[in-house]
Amino acid sequence: QQQVKQSPQSLIVQKGGISIINCAYENTAFDYFPWYQQFPGKGPALLIAIRPDVSEKKEGRFTISFNKSAKQFSLHIMDSQPGDSATYFCAASMLPHTGNQFYFGTGTSLTVIP
Amino acid sequence: DTAVSQTPKYLVTQMGNDKSIKCEQNLGHDTMYWYKQDSKKFLKIMFSYNNKELIINETVPNRFSPKSPDKAHLNLHINSLELGDSAVYFCASSRLTDGPGELFFGEGSRLTVL
Repeated sequence: QQQVKQSPQSLIVQKGGISIINCAYENTAFDYFPWYQQFPGKGPALLIAIRPDVSEKKEGRFTISFNKSAKQFSLHIMDSQPGDSATYFCAASMLPHTGNQFYFGTGTSLTVIP
Repeated sequence: DTAVSQTPKYLVTQMGNDKSIKCEQNLGHDTMYWYKQDSKKFLKIMFSYNNKELIINETVPNRFSPKSPDKAHLNLHINSLELGDSAVYFCASSRLTDGPGELFFGEGSRLTVL
């Protein structure tokens, strides 16, 4: 059973546009929601993360929006650049990280067209 | 200086063979993992070790056997390889903590079973 559902599977955006990736979860025990970015041939790397006590977190062009009541969170990439082309994974985890069990979404392949 | 390193990066082998993938981290982390990424990019946890002790063992065929000689190393041995084992295997590490933890991934080992 998929603990974290992610959409869309793929996304094509023009340079300068906004990329939006959505995730939903069911387990209300989750209290840490990171996003990982993976370039071809590389391992995923942490991009940005949020805890449910805030509704938004921004780091540069990347913003996480969090809706606790709807059990949804999303990644917004403003002014998307070709260098942002990668696969993005949302994830959820429970604190404390006993065993550090992270549940990953199915990934979104983002292509930013110059 | 590579934080999480895996060898080999590529592995091509015949069905029925036995193979191993090695992983080492120099981050001083106490928890290490093996993840499997299939052709659809889905990331699935296989095993998690904390200080050489197995703490997560997802539903993985017992042909897969992890071994942690010390907390900086986690190796994966696969017996009697099958076509369905073809995937990219990622090693990762993190620090077990009461706060949010970050997963540090290696670059992956692409296994192709013919």
